[in-house]
Amino acid sequence: GAVVSQHPSRVICKSGTSVKIECRSLDFQATTMFWYRQFPKQSLMLMATSNEGSKATYEQGVEKDKFLINHASLTLSTLTVTSAHPEDSSFYICSASWTSGSYNEQFFGPGTRLTVL
Amino acid sequence: GIQVEQSPPDLILQEGANSTLRCNFSDSVNNLQWFHQNPWGQLINLFYIPSGTKQNGRLSATTVATERYSLLYISSSQTTDSGVYFCAVRRWNFGNEKLTFGTGTRLTIIP
Repeated sequence: GAVVSQHPSRVICKSGTSVKIECRSLDFQATTMFWYRQFPKQSLMLMATSNEGSKATYEQGVEKDKFLINHASLTLSTLTVTSAHPEDSSFYICSASWTSGSYNEQFFGPGTRLTVL
Repeated sequence: GIQVEQSPPDLILQEGANSTLRCNFSDSVNNLQWFHQNPWGQLINLFYIPSGTKQNGRLSATTVATERYSLLYISSSQTTDSGVYFCAVRRWNFGNEKLTFGTGTRLTIIP
């Protein structure tokens, strides 16, 4: 099956620092990747759609200058949380889209747990 | 946007029991996926099922697209089935591929 990796799995940082999270599709090419955020005991909320070679599309209410997304290749997207604050602490999950004709299935990374002190 | 509701929100069962989880959506879709989120947070793909019925071992799923719902069946539950089950849908004819997630069903299997 399609495998998506995410690194790091856990990060603890001080308030004001920036944190970069990497998402890689290991065995397929993904022109589109997605970044989600999940709070405890809640569902996944889409933050942005990352397209290879173009600017990301952010969902309403998500600050694009706060959450910088770069999709430099067909297998790598990165999310940088800039000047992180305690309210940015959350579980961040990426996914990669496998597409063939009308078939389109998303596969998810294992997530990154961010704690901002 | 599209609304996706799952029921029940919580379900506690004895090992060996069967269960049915439901996913209702408010608009036509061309993609529906079921996931199991394990205790470590990893989402595991269970089914890609925009319509019809599929089976994989003790799990099966049915989507009735015309009536805007999908069902996930788990038979002979095991403790490893515990976790949160999400359905997620993509609206029909939308240019992008983004999924909207349901509210989830938290399943607890007691030995």
